Amino acid sequence: DQQVKQNSPSLSVQEGRISILNCDYTNSMFDYFLWYKKYPAEGPTFLISISSIKDKNEDGRFTVFLNKSAKHLSLHIVPSQPGDSAVYFCAASASASNTGKLIFGQGTTLQVKP
Amino acid sequence: GAVVSQHPSWVICKSGTSVKIECRSLDFQATTMFWYRQFPKQSLMLMATSNEGSKATYEQGVEKDKFLINHASLTLSTLTVTSAHPEDSSFYICSLTGTGLLSYNSPLHFGNGTRLTVT
Repeated sequence: DQQVKQNSPSLSVQEGRISILNCDYTNSMFDYFLWYKKYPAEGPTFLISISSIKDKNEDGRFTVFLNKSAKHLSLHIVPSQPGDSAVYFCAASASASNTGKLIFGQGTTLQVKP
Repeated sequence: GAVVSQHPSWVICKSGTSVKIECRSLDFQATTMFWYRQFPKQSLMLMATSNEGSKATYEQGVEKDKFLINHASLTLSTLTVTSAHPEDSSFYICSLTGTGLLSYNSPLHFGNGTRLTVT
C-alpha cells in the first residue's frame, strides 16, 4: 500500500524554466510533509517542508504547495538550474504517531538541461 | 556541515558473512535514529527505529534477527546485516532528528548511505 505516490518517475525542463514536481498521499493523518533531494550514492538532503496548517511555504527558489482536500502537494523550482538535476523525494509524517517516521514516495528524477 | 556520519560508504562482502554499518550523530544527542533501505529506482523504505538504550522497533516484514540494531549511546547506532545474501544488496541509510521527534523545524538528517554488495 503506497501511502505516498510520485506518479512521474522523471521530468526534464530547460534551464531557467519552472520545474513542478508532484506528490499525492492517501493517509489523512499525515500532517507534515517534506521534500528531499538526492544525488546517486548519497543520502537525501532536506529541501523544504510544510505543515498541514499551511498551504504554501517558500524558501528562495523553492516553493511547496499543499492542497489538503486533494491530498496533493507540489514542489516548484524557479528558475531551474542544471545543479538542480537530482532525484526528488516527497515524504510525509503523522505527528499524532509521535514516532518521527517518514513515509517516502518513489522519487522523481529531475533533469535540468542547460 | 554534516550532521550525520555514516560508515562505511560502500562495502562488498561474501555471502554468509556479516557486515556492520555505523551511524554517528555529530552535532547533537540523538535518542532516536532511523534505518532506511533503498533498492535501485525505488523509494526509501523504513526498516527500523533505533532507540537509545532499548530495543529497536522493526517495520513489518523486516527480520530483526537478520538486521541487528544497536543504539548503545546517544551518538552512535549500528546496523549489522548478519549472514548476508545477495538479495540483501542495497543502499542503507540512517537518519536522525535532534529531539527524536519530527517537528516542523526539525526535519530528518540523513547520512550519506552505505552501498552494500553481497557476492
